[in-house]
Amino acid sequence: AQRVTQPEKLLSVFKGAPVELKCNYSYSGSPELFWYVQYSRQRLQLLLRHISRESIKGFTADLNKGETSFHLKKPFAQEEDSAMYYCALHVKAGNEKLTFGTGTRLTIIP
Amino acid sequence: GAVVSQHPSWVICKSGTSVKIECRSLDFQATTMFWYRQFPKQSLMLMATSNEGSKATYEQGVEKDKFLINHASLTLSTLTVTSAHPEDSSFYICSALRDRYEQYFGPGTRLTVT
Repeated sequence: AQRVTQPEKLLSVFKGAPVELKCNYSYSGSPELFWYVQYSRQRLQLLLRHISRESIKGFTADLNKGETSFHLKKPFAQEEDSAMYYCALHVKAGNEKLTFGTGTRLTIIP
Repeated sequence: GAVVSQHPSWVICKSGTSVKIECRSLDFQATTMFWYRQFPKQSLMLMATSNEGSKATYEQGVEKDKFLINHASLTLSTLTVTSAHPEDSSFYICSALRDRYEQYFGPGTRLTVT
């Protein structure tokens, strides 16, 4: 069965410092991975997906199949990055569903 | 952009009654919608996949007779919590699948059963 692990429940980083949110996955098939973000009092929204290989709001994430990881990185944290971040794995098993990690709450310290 | 709404955003009901939550995709059609449950300070837990015109697919451990899902049109899915009990109190979130992978989430519905 597929699984997504985010080992850090809470992460605090000073403004301007680099950020790395860890995500590891377990899946026997070819993975499709995503990062979702939930800002305070807002709905969950897609931040980025690995197939796009894009940078959104300064964040990037590289899929490392050898390490089964999809860590989210940003070189210089900003206060508006404070939010809840979820790593998600797309599984096609009859239905197109997402398996979410437990999430990491990122707090940027001014 | 793709917008998904939920109604109501907040509901209180008495134990034993039923509550219906609506999920609508406002500017796109969605043959597939998903219902999640989120406990305080925890991740989203998929409850079921709602497919337009067919029966929903429930995740293991989710009672289909308790959580009735109807996906009657390409823009509307409903979740009915039947005979609600206090342990059903939670935050219920829906999402709609627009592209092959991309889910757009609703703002959630907070259910409190007294």
